[in-house]
Amino acid sequence: EPEVTQTPSHQVTQMGQEVILRCVPISNHLYFYWYRQILGQKVEFLVSFYNNEISEKSEIFDDQFSVERPDGSNFTLKIRSTKLEDSAMYFCASTTQRGSSEAFFGQGTRLTVV
Amino acid sequence: GENVEQHPSTLSVQEGDSAVIKCTYSDSASNYFPWYKQELGKGPQLIIDIRSNVGEKKDQRIAVTLNKTAKHFSLHITETQPEDSAVYFCAAIEDFGNEKLTFGTGTRLTIIP
Repeated sequence: EPEVTQTPSHQVTQMGQEVILRCVPISNHLYFYWYRQILGQKVEFLVSFYNNEISEKSEIFDDQFSVERPDGSNFTLKIRSTKLEDSAMYFCASTTQRGSSEAFFGQGTRLTVV
Repeated sequence: GENVEQHPSTLSVQEGDSAVIKCTYSDSASNYFPWYKQELGKGPQLIIDIRSNVGEKKDQRIAVTLNKTAKHFSLHITETQPEDSAVYFCAAIEDFGNEKLTFGTGTRLTIIP
């Protein structure tokens, strides 16, 4: 069964450092998403991406965040200058349909900012 | 925006019994309601979904019901097994105009052998 793959599974970084989280969506999917889950809390939407541009973003997704799909397969989330409150599980998701219908999620990257 | 409430936050049932998890949503325009199962250390896995044009959908031991008038939907798991133990999230979206799923707060289901 096809799956969304995320790397690394765990990233520890110092506050103020840049991190890049990587995702390989399912190959025939067209819509891509990043969500995050702070420990013990609900899964929150960050950003959606289609046709090489952001289609929607949440208030969490400020200027410190960026996404890109550099080579047609990888989908990355960059946090420019990490803060302690960025510590969370970050999930990538992809789907063939707009609006997150039948979205498939990756296993997540646990980001710990120290 | 959409707001999804989920109850209970924890649920323990004896193996073989049924489990029911309930969610309410606020946006009457929402038309797609998926349920996700999250096992420890893994991402959410879609287990069943329902659209607003149907009232019930079943897949083996799992069923989802939707009451559009009351704006609530429920997950029903029958003949529970130990491998059903996980955190379950409901979500809602109006998928013609929006991109984001709004998730509930999650229910930790524990099946007692």
